[in-house]
Amino acid sequence: DTAVSQTPKYLVTQMGNDKSIKCEQNLGHDTMYWYKQDSKKFLKIMFSYNNKELIINETVPNRFSPKSPDKAHLNLHINSLELGDSAVYFCASSQLGQNTEAFFGQGTRLTVV
Amino acid sequence: DAKTTQPNSMESNEEEPVHLPCNHSTISGTDYIHWYRQLPSQGPEYVIHGLTSNVNNRMASLAIAEDRKSSTLILHRATLRDAAVYYCILRDVVRTDSWGKLQFGAGTQVVVTP
Repeated sequence: DTAVSQTPKYLVTQMGNDKSIKCEQNLGHDTMYWYKQDSKKFLKIMFSYNNKELIINETVPNRFSPKSPDKAHLNLHINSLELGDSAVYFCASSQLGQNTEAFFGQGTRLTVV
Repeated sequence: DAKTTQPNSMESNEEEPVHLPCNHSTISGTDYIHWYRQLPSQGPEYVIHGLTSNVNNRMASLAIAEDRKSSTLILHRATLRDAAVYYCILRDVVRTDSWGKLQFGAGTQVVVTP
């Protein structure tokens, strides 16, 4: 059973398109995150949701809109894709307030052409 | 946010120990020291964490300096599977403005030679 699963694993799309990445966790955690890893391999947090509420929004363009339909899911929708959005996007989950580990998905490699 | 400093890369022979240093001179009293690693083409995975005392688990050991301004992750017998980028991260799960997020630096690329 995969703890944090993302779909799709690969996404190639043209500039200007709108796309979504889905994430699900089966760990019962109350907090989920989206991280972006750029071509230089730096991992940076984008968003965090706790119990379906947005708690972290780190200066991300408003073309990126996360949605959390329930505690186990956090999706990322991206409008009007740009070349600079090409990156690997990782979903993660953890239990807020507890010093326990965060679990990451396998990543979604987004390529905008 | 408190920052960490790590060497860019380290090399080791297979089955030898690897000591990965991390400096965190601005660590606060509520910061835990976490280590994650990222294998090629995978998401980061948790390795170990500690506050003041040295910690051991099945993956590694964490040695924390008495003043907490530095720590060392020890892989006791490196295998080829341990080749990864290792990240030392300070995590404050108490402060509401951090909300448990992980601030990744550049990490240390560990190369294991057969």
